[in-house]
Amino acid sequence: GAVVSQHPSRVICKSGTSVKIECRSLDFQATTMFWYRQFPKQSLMLMATSNEGSKATYEQGVEKDKFLINHASLTLSTLTVTSAHPEDSSFYICSARPFKANTGELFFGEGSRLTVL
Amino acid sequence: GQQLNQSPQSMFIQEGEDVSMNCTSSSIFNTWLWYKQDPGEGPVLLIALYKAGELTSNGRLTAQFGITRKDSFLNISASIPSDVGIYFCAGQLANTNAGKSTFGDGTTLTVKP
Repeated sequence: GAVVSQHPSRVICKSGTSVKIECRSLDFQATTMFWYRQFPKQSLMLMATSNEGSKATYEQGVEKDKFLINHASLTLSTLTVTSAHPEDSSFYICSARPFKANTGELFFGEGSRLTVL
Repeated sequence: GQQLNQSPQSMFIQEGEDVSMNCTSSSIFNTWLWYKQDPGEGPVLLIALYKAGELTSNGRLTAQFGITRKDSFLNISASIPSDVGIYFCAGQLANTNAGKSTFGDGTTLTVKP
């Protein structure tokens, strides 16, 4: 089956620093990837849609300058949390849709837990 | 935006019992998806539904796409301890960026051995 890998799985950083999270589709190409944020015991909140070769589409209320998304290739999207603060601490998850899929099936990464001190 | 109402919010059952959970929406969806999420991990796709009325099974799991296209249910038969986790439904609209999904709030399942 389709595999999506996220890295790092856990990261702890100091307030004010920037953190980059990678999302890779390992055995398929993905023109579209999605980034979510999940708080404890809550559902997944879509942050943005990452499109290969073009700018990401952000959901209402998500600061594009705060959460930088780059989708430079068909197998890699990155999310950079800039000038992170404690309130940015969360579980960030990506998902990817296979390039040639005729379905809406998404495959998720393992998630990245960010803790900002 | 679209909202999905998923119920129940949590379930505590005995091993061997059957489980049923459902999602309803005020919007018509083209696709319904069911995922399971284990603690600290990403969701894993269980079943995907594409046609109204469709009934699909995956082992002990069965899911149906409601006739009205506004609801879906997931059944788990003969539950086992490894069924523990959070189950999410997700709906996708027609004519949207394929894959963009609205998620339910999840059903947390606890199975007592």
